[in-house]
This record gives sequence, structure tokens and C-alpha cells, in this order.
Amino acid sequence: DIVMTQSPDSLAVSLGERATINCKSSQSVLYRSNNKNYLAWYQQKPGQPPRLLIYWASTRESGVPDRFSGSGSGTDFTLTISSLQAEDVAVYSCQQYYSTPLTFGQGTRVEIK
Amino acid sequence: QVQLVQSGAEVKKPGASVKVSCTTSGYTFTSHGFSWVRQAPGQGLEWMGWISGHSGNTKYAKKFQDRVTMTTDTSTSTAHMELRSLRSDDTAVYYCVSQGSGYYDPNSWLDPWGQGTLVTVSS
Repeated sequence: DIVMTQSPDSLAVSLGERATINCKSSQSVLYRSNNKNYLAWYQQKPGQPPRLLIYWASTRESGVPDRFSGSGSGTDFTLTISSLQAEDVAVYSCQQYYSTPLTFGQGTRVEIK
Repeated sequence: QVQLVQSGAEVKKPGASVKVSCTTSGYTFTSHGFSWVRQAPGQGLEWMGWISGHSGNTKYAKKFQDRVTMTTDTSTSTAHMELRSLRSDDTAVYYCVSQGSGYYDPNSWLDPWGQGTLVTVSS
């Protein structure tokens, strides 16, 4: 199984400042034949299901604000919120879909400082 | 608008079984696959398995393969997940999720998600 490890576990950022969340996979999730990274990011607010933010490591889902961006390749990935807003307080999780079982990071809690 | 609406909360005793339903609307059921993901209280997300809405083919996580059965009913655009021999550590919110890229395999992002079904296992 591919193990996904996020850092940090929690993060406090001032409004308008940048938030950066890292995700590392125990093996590469880059599929060489199509040069795509099989990595997604989700946002989850209390009492709600997760919401897809990013897929293919850097493709923003329709309707997701452009302050959210994804980057990275192979085993190391980053989710960046360029200017934190109050409504961004949530838990963020990465997920690999390179192989089954699909696996998730443990989540990173983002709060306002 | 695509919607996945799940059945209501359940309370079960240890050793019992639970069946959770997920009724979809707003798209062609047989063009999609569906994963089931659970989340124990205060914990992360755990993938249980996948079923194709087109063929009924399944892929289960090894952890659950002896206790879980996933089925579909194309006549009602509904996916079902049954978990048997329940234990207290099966207490969790269970989510039905559509696969982001078609019905042929589970290797995709997950979107959209159902609202979740809380299953409580307690004596």
C-alpha cells in the first residue's frame, strides 16, 4: 500500500497570508506513460463531506478559487493557499489514486492565527 | 446537478450487519464508478472499495474484503454497501463517492461525495 504522509498536522496562519501543506507518498505516483501524477487534494469542514479541490496534482476543480494551487511530482506534493480567507478554515487531505487501495494523508488542520 | 443521497443513520449491535444505500441523480449512473470511504470520529479517511456502475465489477480493500459487499441497482441508480460482523471500531461516517473519471477502474479522484451516513456500533 502507498502511505501518504502530510506535514504539518496543523497550521495557524494570519488572514491574507500564505498557507503551505506538504504531502509525501511512500512511492512515486507519477505514471510515466502519460506523465500524470495521480494525486488529489480535498478540503473538509466540520460536519461536511470532503470537497475536491485539485486533481492530477495541479488541476483545479471547477469552482475552486484560484488562491488554491497544487504542485509537485513523483513523491512530493504541496497545496498552497495564497491568501488565507476565513472560510478556508478546514482540514486538508491528499489522496493518491495511482494504485489500490486508494490512500489518504492523515489530514492537516488549518486555522486562523 | 449531480447528487448522491445516502440512507439515514444506523445503530447496530456488535456482530450485526449494516447496509447503506446511495441514490444518485443528475447524471448517467452506468457511466460512473463508486467508492465507499469511511471516517471514524476524529480520524482520517479510509477507502473501503469500489464498484463499477456499468459492469458491477468490484475491488475491495484487503482489510474489508471478508466482510463487505458492494452492489448496484441500475433501475434505481442506487449503490449499496453492506458491512457484516460489525465491531465497535466500525463506528464511523460512511461516504458514498462517485469516481472522477468514469466507470472502468477505481483509479481516480473522488467527486462528488454523498452527505455521509453515521453508523454506530454499540452494545
